[in-house]
Amino acid sequence: NAGVTQTPKFQVLKTGQSMTLQCAQDMNHNSMYWYRQDPGMGLRLIYYSASEGTTDKGEVPNGYNVSRLNKREFSLRLESAAPSQTSVYFCASSEAGLGFLEDEQYFGPGTRLTVT
Amino acid sequence: RKEVEQDPGPFNVPEGATVAFNCTYSNSASQSFFWYRQDCRKEPKLLMSVYSSGNEDGRFTAQLNRASQYISLLIRDSKLSDSATYLCVVNMAYGNKLVFGAGTILRVKS
Repeated sequence: NAGVTQTPKFQVLKTGQSMTLQCAQDMNHNSMYWYRQDPGMGLRLIYYSASEGTTDKGEVPNGYNVSRLNKREFSLRLESAAPSQTSVYFCASSEAGLGFLEDEQYFGPGTRLTVT
Repeated sequence: RKEVEQDPGPFNVPEGATVAFNCTYSNSASQSFFWYRQDCRKEPKLLMSVYSSGNEDGRFTAQLNRASQYISLLIRDSKLSDSATYLCVVNMAYGNKLVFGAGTILRVKS
């Protein structure tokens, strides 16, 4: 099993450009998440999807859109990139979801995005 | 006050030492707690869940103090391979919110 995979691993964008970060999991998990990690700060939730066909905003959703394409795939789109979106982006999945207290999250390797 | 706070460190310890990290959380209604480990430029991975009675996994012991709203992680007989950032994670139990601390850096030196 590959677990959670993300593409690309690295990306440099110019301000105003758009791009989509791809995420896929092969563990048959119901819930998937997108986080960003910035220096000196904890991971912050951007969006999550409790099941195929549903998505919800997290703590920092502005400037992002998501699509839960099927049970395996959850993509994150930046429509008009800004320097403030320079960060490391992690996708994660879990069997149950945020409402389940002992739910373990499995993370992908991350995408390092720089917006100039 | 941050919802989850950790001492950023770094904690520099020799091999074989015992080291402990604390993490405080703001919401007294929080129900579940975790420690994740993150190696440099890698993804976080679950180290252990923290149960109300405390739990131990080999050289690692996690404890919860609800009265003072903190959780702790104790590492005994530190190994070079324990060098990493340790993330404290709390399920806030409102709004289905999982909050990550910024992490504590541990460096174990020979």
